[in-house]
Amino acid sequence: KQEVTQIPAALSVPEGENLVLNCSFTDSAIYNLQWFRQDPGKGLTSLLLIQSSQREQTSGRLNASLDKSSGRSTLYIAASQPGDSATYLCAVRPWSGNTPLVFGKGTRLSVIA
Amino acid sequence: DGGITQSPKYLFRKEGQNVTLSCEQNLNHDAMYWYRQDPGQGLRLIYYSQIVNDFQKGDIAEGYSVSREKKESFPLTVTSAQKNPTAFYLCASSLFFWEDSGNTIYFGEGSWLTVV
Repeated sequence: KQEVTQIPAALSVPEGENLVLNCSFTDSAIYNLQWFRQDPGKGLTSLLLIQSSQREQTSGRLNASLDKSSGRSTLYIAASQPGDSATYLCAVRPWSGNTPLVFGKGTRLSVIA
Repeated sequence: DGGITQSPKYLFRKEGQNVTLSCEQNLNHDAMYWYRQDPGQGLRLIYYSQIVNDFQKGDIAEGYSVSREKKESFPLTVTSAQKNPTAFYLCASSLFFWEDSGNTIYFGEGSWLTVV
């Protein structure tokens, strides 16, 4: 059964720092991997989607990489800002089974001004 | 604006009551989903629907029921059989259920359900 793990569970950094969030998954048979942002008490917003054949995707200050063979993905946030404070969730779309997305528990990020 | 609308935002349930959470989308998506989120936990799939008039159980379907009579609507009923229903419920949709070409899932703003 596919499992997704995110480390660390929480992270606090000063404004301006570059940071990396980690995601690992146990089964490499995936269609794609997505990173989401969730603000407190809100729904999820998709940040980046990486296809299984791709190595990385970039959007503004965000860069996500995927190493499918090792079951790892990282989300790199450059020049962090207080507005980046949120929970970041990683999810994979498995080839098989009835679950369209398997989520990690998320990393809660606080960027201190 | 296109998107997913969930209502109500906050709902209180008494013991023994059934309650229904509404989810409407105007994105013309075939697939719709219901997830449950508990504090500090990831999302767990309750039910999903690949197309109108079809739905399937997810990982934690016990104590819940759904219907998909219209493409744009996928209501979730939390029945009295669900013993621990207090949670944050998220509805989502995607163009298709199974697709390998980058099919993004869109989420609503969520509904908080509390048992009183």
